[in-house]
Amino acid sequence: GAGVSQSPSNKVTEKGKDVELRCDPISGHTALYWYRQSLGQGLEFLIYFQGNSAPDKSGLPSDRFSAERTGGSVSTLTIQRTQQEDSAVYLCASSLDRGRSPLHFGNGTRLTVT
Amino acid sequence: AQSVSQHNHHVILSEAASLELGCNYSYGGTVNLFWYVQYPGQHLQLLLKYFSGDPLVKGIKGFEAEFIKSKFSFNLRKPSVQWSDTAEYFCAVSSSGAGSYQLTFGKGTKLSVIP
Repeated sequence: GAGVSQSPSNKVTEKGKDVELRCDPISGHTALYWYRQSLGQGLEFLIYFQGNSAPDKSGLPSDRFSAERTGGSVSTLTIQRTQQEDSAVYLCASSLDRGRSPLHFGNGTRLTVT
Repeated sequence: AQSVSQHNHHVILSEAASLELGCNYSYGGTVNLFWYVQYPGQHLQLLLKYFSGDPLVKGIKGFEAEFIKSKFSFNLRKPSVQWSDTAEYFCAVSSSGAGSYQLTFGKGTKLSVIP
């Protein structure tokens, strides 16, 4: 059953440490998205990939956040020098292409920064 | 920039009651509109979508939504809710033109259905 897979499902880290979050999109989906879901805040757009390129990085909260996508498939979201305000659920979604194709979401990575 | 407003944070209903969840968006151009649902412990999934044509769209599980362009609204409705509809519901909008990839979500409405 090829859905969007995210790992780890949970991550607890100490303030100041770096973390990497991984997303395996549905095979054949060219568009990939990262969102952040905080309690009571809805979904905050972080970054969008079309293939391996990220035409829009405007949602990344700070320069501590970066993301890459390789082979038009797997994507990694990296947060350097984590802060407590980074605690949230990080959601990855993929779609066949941009625009009208519905997004297929993974189960997310719950990040807790202590 | 587009934005989405969902009026209710938490709605509590008894089974068989009718449901209407409000959603308003702000964007000056042509939009694509979506409702997503997140059941407890599950990932977000598409409930229904509107691109063009008939402003009344039907989705899964008996849900429907009506696009009223003059009111910039896309309210979600269901005539008779079930306990299994307990979930969080998110309204989302994307533009139909350039930059149409970015889906902007509302903050969500949590629905609790009491048996």
